[in-house]
Amino acid sequence: DQQVKQNSPSLSVQEGRISILNCDYTNSMFDYFLWYKKYPAEGPTFLISISSIKDKNEDGRFTVFLNKSAKHLSLHIVPSQPGDSAVYFCAARYSGNTGKLIFGQGTTLQVKP
Amino acid sequence: DAMVIQNPRYQVTQFGKPVTLSCSQTLNHNVMYWYQQKSSQAPKLLFHYYDKDFNNEADTPDNFQSRRPNTSFCFLDIRSPGLGDAAMYLCATSGRSGYQETQYFGPGTRLLVL
Repeated sequence: DQQVKQNSPSLSVQEGRISILNCDYTNSMFDYFLWYKKYPAEGPTFLISISSIKDKNEDGRFTVFLNKSAKHLSLHIVPSQPGDSAVYFCAARYSGNTGKLIFGQGTTLQVKP
Repeated sequence: DAMVIQNPRYQVTQFGKPVTLSCSQTLNHNVMYWYQQKSSQAPKLLFHYYDKDFNNEADTPDNFQSRRPNTSFCFLDIRSPGLGDAAMYLCATSGRSGYQETQYFGPGTRLLVL
C-alpha cells in the first residue's frame, strides 16, 4: 500500500519554462511534507518543505503548494534550468511520529537547454 | 563542512557473506536512519537510532542489524546477503534535540551481491 505516490516517472521541460512535479498521498495523519532532489551517484538533498497548516511555501525559484482536501502537493520550479535535471522525491512525515519519512518513487526531471 | 559520510560508496559481496556498511556524521544529530532503495523504487526505512535507542521497522528482515557505538557513527550489518538485498543503502540524520522534519542524507552505498 503506497501512501505517497508520484505518478509521473519522468518530465521533460524546456529551459526557462515552469516545471511542475506532482505528489499525492493517502494518509491524512501526515503533518509535514518535503521535497528532495537527487543527482546520480549522490544521496538525496533537501530542497523545500511545507507544514500541513500551510498551503504554500516559497524559496527562490522553488514553490511547494499543498492542497489538503485533495491530498495533493506540487513543486513548481520557475524558471527551470538545466542544472535542475535530477530525480525529485516527495516525502511525508507522520504527525507525532519518529520522524519516519514515507517517500514517493521519484520523478526524473530533464530540463533541455 | 558538516556532513553525512558513507563508506564504502560501492560494495561487492558474495551471496551469504556478511557485509558491513558504515555511516558517520559531523552534524551532531541525535537521530540516524538507514534506508534501502532498490532500483526505481522509493527509499524505504529499515531502522533508526534515537541516541542509543534502536527502533526497528516492523517489516525489516532479521538479516539486517545495526550498531551505533557513538553519536557520530552508525553501521548497517547484513548477516547473510541474498541477491534481493542488492540495493542502494542510504544513511540519514536529523535533529540536535529530538526528531526534526528535515533529514540529511549521505551519498549512499551501492551494494552488489554476486
